[in-house]
Amino acid sequence: GAGVSQSPSNKVTEKGKDVELRCDPISGHTALYWYRQSLGQGLEFLIYFQGNSAPDKSGLPSDRFSAERTGGSVSTLTIQRTQQEDSAVYLCASSPTGSEQFFGPGTRLTVL
Amino acid sequence: KQEVTQIPAALSVPEGENLVLNCSFTDSAIYNLQWFRQDPGKGLTSLLLIQSSQREQTSGRLNASLDKSSGRSTLYIAASQPGDSATYLCAVRLGAGGFKTIFGAGTRLFVKA
Repeated sequence: GAGVSQSPSNKVTEKGKDVELRCDPISGHTALYWYRQSLGQGLEFLIYFQGNSAPDKSGLPSDRFSAERTGGSVSTLTIQRTQQEDSAVYLCASSPTGSEQFFGPGTRLTVL
Repeated sequence: KQEVTQIPAALSVPEGENLVLNCSFTDSAIYNLQWFRQDPGKGLTSLLLIQSSQREQTSGRLNASLDKSSGRSTLYIAASQPGDSATYLCAVRLGAGGFKTIFGAGTRLFVKA
């Protein structure tokens, strides 16, 4: 079956602009995670959605970052007023029960 | 605060060798531990998931163990092959009440033909 998909695969933007990154989880998966992987760094947890529960936003680095999940399926991560330090690969993962995570290919964001 | 450490940071072995990758975590109150591989420029591929109540999981040439009390997990790779070359990551999902997953920095493995 189809895996987790993310779009766009690459995004180049200018400092100060807003960007939206999209994640399509595996159908039927109730849990969805966003992570960030900066160059040479490990994966950093950003946010977690589980069904209709309030999301765990404890990993969002600043209030410029937000995410939503519509209809319990597709999720969008929005970064407002992008900064150069936001440049990274943004990875999305979904999970059927909040257990084993399956990752998408990521979106490489470059802020000039 | 949960911290996850992987040792070694990098490893180079000849083809056919058995090897062990180590992962340690500071807080034993975990929900599960998952091992992934990441190929350059690619996303993560799940290898094995161990629930907190389990001691080990096996898949093909891979075996992962979990010792919660000592805060350790090992990934054993038997008869390594050049195709096993990748970065191996362990990830700990926090226990009840938390959804965060904390990743180690990874072990870069190179298997020489």
